[in-house]
Amino acid sequence: QSALTQPASVSGSPGQSITISCTGTSSDIGRYNYVSWYQQRPGKAPKLMVYGVSDRPSGVSNRFSASKSGNTASLTISGLQAEDEADYYCSSYTSGSTLFVFGTGTQVTVL
Amino acid sequence: EVQLVESGGGLVKPGGSLRLSCAASGITFTNAWMSWVRQAPGKGLEWVGRIKSKTDGGTADYAAPVKGRFTISRDDSKNTLYLQMNSLKSEDTAVYFCTTPDYYASRSYTHFDYWGQGALVTVSS
Repeated sequence: QSALTQPASVSGSPGQSITISCTGTSSDIGRYNYVSWYQQRPGKAPKLMVYGVSDRPSGVSNRFSASKSGNTASLTISGLQAEDEADYYCSSYTSGSTLFVFGTGTQVTVL
Repeated sequence: EVQLVESGGGLVKPGGSLRLSCAASGITFTNAWMSWVRQAPGKGLEWVGRIKSKTDGGTADYAAPVKGRFTISRDDSKNTLYLQMNSLKSEDTAVYFCTTPDYYASRSYTHFDYWGQGALVTVSS
């Protein structure tokens, strides 16, 4: 099971919106509505930002929104803030014996 | 407050064994489906395996790279999750996180709400 494909880096200025893509296959993103997104700051554990394609856990800002089309999922951060600087990973449930696959990760930089 | 605390990491030689523990509090551990996720230095996240609650069968599933070498188990009386790692290879060097979904909030086991701080395992001669 190969990792989901994400851009290595995305950047934006404060207040702008950015979108991170996550491309999988018909065996993971394309088959299930079980895409989640995680934010990870250096030296810290990942933090769940979105689950079930587009649902936000309690406490996560509504500046984070997500969607899916076909084999590709997307995370949009609107009103970019300095605190959003981090690595972001997508994940999907899969039909293979490896039940979950993560994305390659995207480093978000706030200019 | 939910706390997951990993322990047992360290330096081990290739071919050696190590057991990680994850002590849980603030959750109903007996109902929790627990996973291990690892992260090699400077690399991305990789799912290692998952164990269901005993109520749901208690079975474990593993990622292909560790199947046959790693074993996940649980002791519900101690609210503790384990990862027994045998025949370790240099590519198993990583920070190992235990993680679990908040099923009561989402009614789903397909994501990871709570995470420990991680335990570093270094496989090197």
